[in-house]
Amino acid sequence: SAVISQKPSRDICQRGTSLTIQCQVDSQVTMMFWYRQQPGQSLTLIATANQGSEATYESGFVIDKFPISRPNLTFSTLTVSNLSPEDSSIYLCSLTRGETQYFGPGTRLLVL
Amino acid sequence: GNSVTQMEGPVTLSEEAFLTINCTYTATGYPSLFWYVQYPGEGLQLLLKATKADDKGSNKGFEATYRKETTSFHLEKGSVQVSDSAVYFCALSGDNQGGKLIFGQGTELSVKP
Repeated sequence: SAVISQKPSRDICQRGTSLTIQCQVDSQVTMMFWYRQQPGQSLTLIATANQGSEATYESGFVIDKFPISRPNLTFSTLTVSNLSPEDSSIYLCSLTRGETQYFGPGTRLLVL
Repeated sequence: GNSVTQMEGPVTLSEEAFLTINCTYTATGYPSLFWYVQYPGEGLQLLLKATKADDKGSNKGFEATYRKETTSFHLEKGSVQVSDSAVYFCALSGDNQGGKLIFGQGTELSVKP
């Protein structure tokens, strides 16, 4: 298994502002992933964050909107910039250990 | 590209009923297949997995068999409990994808006493 923590667990933000979400894992891992779960929907991969290189973004997601940092092998941040109500979602980080992907508890964001 | 399709919910069952949640996939090569569960107000948890054809994953009374001939990974449980009420997600991880997952749309299960 894996121990993954995220901060904050939830937040309410005003449109036009930004929120940075932190993800801390219990041991070193090369790749971390960031997902979005919009209300009542499934999970969609935003980007893959490799330590020491730029994140790789999935179609429909861009670095200007979702900048990611990966300063070391146990930590990553996702920033959601220029918030709009459509960004209200749960954001989850995850890692792969063995052949299994483990998820953090998620950050629930509401944009007003 | 790779994709996962699940039966639509919500599914409502009485306690001790038999559960099947259908999942089919489209993928090249030999993906790994997973079922994740999200209990109300909680995070996503791995329920079971299968990494090659004909493998059966099982956990907490749930089972799913990786059927390459029908590209399916249906979730079953013989006797559901109220505590099984949750949203269930089928997912796949493709060859050489570094572990990133493609999820189905999720199926909400509600079990009534």
